Amino acid sequence: TQLLEQSPQFLSIQEGENLTVYCNSSSVFSSLQWYRQEPGEGPVLLVTVVTGGEVKKLKRLTFQFGDARKDSSLHITAAQPGDTGLYLCAGIQGAQKLVFGQGTRLTINP
Amino acid sequence: NAGVTQTPKFQVLKTGQSMTLQCAQDMNHNSMYWYRQDPGMGLRLIYYSASEGTTDKGEVPNGYNVSRLNKREFSLRLESAAPSQTSVYFCASSEVGTGREQYFGPGTRLTVT
Repeated sequence: TQLLEQSPQFLSIQEGENLTVYCNSSSVFSSLQWYRQEPGEGPVLLVTVVTGGEVKKLKRLTFQFGDARKDSSLHITAAQPGDTGLYLCAGIQGAQKLVFGQGTRLTINP
Repeated sequence: NAGVTQTPKFQVLKTGQSMTLQCAQDMNHNSMYWYRQDPGMGLRLIYYSASEGTTDKGEVPNGYNVSRLNKREFSLRLESAAPSQTSVYFCASSEVGTGREQYFGPGTRLTVT
């Protein structure tokens, strides 16, 4: 059983559309991170959210941490082909251990 | 600044063979990690080392051993490879502390036949 469930697992949309990716759990996390991974490379951190209800923006990407610190969402406005990649959420348990969701593979078509 | 380096990049093993995956970081981080990534499973923690001289099991440690050789290097050993260990392996490092960014290496793609 995956501790963190991401949905959708695959998403293919046209350039310019908006999209939201969800990361849900029945467990509470002290904080949550979103990573992006390109083919043949390791994941790279996009953002860390710490406080319940927190919203962080990174250009066209908006990240939200649920009030109960059990879920998070990533919203992309006006998606571009450069946004294509695998998006991973990761909850932090204990001191430093990360628990990853299974990932959302996003494809933005020109 | 190389960050996190892993060797080899690709490896094919026969069932029962052994090998060691090497990882080194030049960021003076205290903590290091080994993950495996399988399709539809995200990344799963195999072992981690919170600081030099300590190692702890993660979610999927069976069939693996690790050595924190010094502050820079953290190796992962497969003593008797099995087809179920076919995966992409990532090493990562971070500063100590909750919520610290983990920096990942480029991965090792391992196939066990």
